[in-house]
Amino acid sequence: TQLLEQSPQFLSIQEGENLTVYCNSSSVFSSLQWYRQEPGEGPVLLVTVVTGGEVKKLKRLTFQFGDARKDSSLHITAAQPGDTGLYLCAGDPGTASKLTFGTGTRLQVTL
Amino acid sequence: EPEVTQTPSHQVTQMGQEVILRCVPISNHLYFYWYRQILGQKVEFLVSFYNNEISEKSEIFDDQFSVERPDGSNFTLKIRSTKLEDSAMYFCASSLYVAGAGYEQYFGPGTRLTVT
Repeated sequence: TQLLEQSPQFLSIQEGENLTVYCNSSSVFSSLQWYRQEPGEGPVLLVTVVTGGEVKKLKRLTFQFGDARKDSSLHITAAQPGDTGLYLCAGDPGTASKLTFGTGTRLQVTL
Repeated sequence: EPEVTQTPSHQVTQMGQEVILRCVPISNHLYFYWYRQILGQKVEFLVSFYNNEISEKSEIFDDQFSVERPDGSNFTLKIRSTKLEDSAMYFCASSLYVAGAGYEQYFGPGTRLTVT
């Protein structure tokens, strides 16, 4: 059974601070997708990382895929209240089948 | 921008009743999925569907569940006899293989199913 553990589970920070969220597994994934989910809504795809060691940037968000394709991180620079939400990583085995979702990191950014 | 749509947004049903949840995937996508999320828990995979047949299903997807793509646009999830524990958000997703990005899955807004 593939499992993805995210840390921390909860993070409350002030506007302007930096933060990093981690997504770890003992399994290798073909790719890893990061989503953001608002309460009562569906996950919204932020980015997909495919190559080991790959780094992708989306404005103030930086995503990295581990060299062994078992882990990933999301770094947010100068967090803003609009970044508040649940961040989910999801591992893709590369067979067009199921995504395995992580446990989630709930981020709250206050003024 | 193309998006996955789902109807209804909220469905309330009595235990033992049949429900059908509907989804319209992104039009050029070939792979379709249903997931569910019980309140406060992880998103869980139910079933994947490709070329008019189930390609993978989870332990949750027992004989009470079925999926169908009745026409070229809709993708449905049927629960034959609902149980209290079926209460959850149900998400439809679709994907297409893209070189360099793999099978990125795009999710709909969800249907909140409440079984009373």
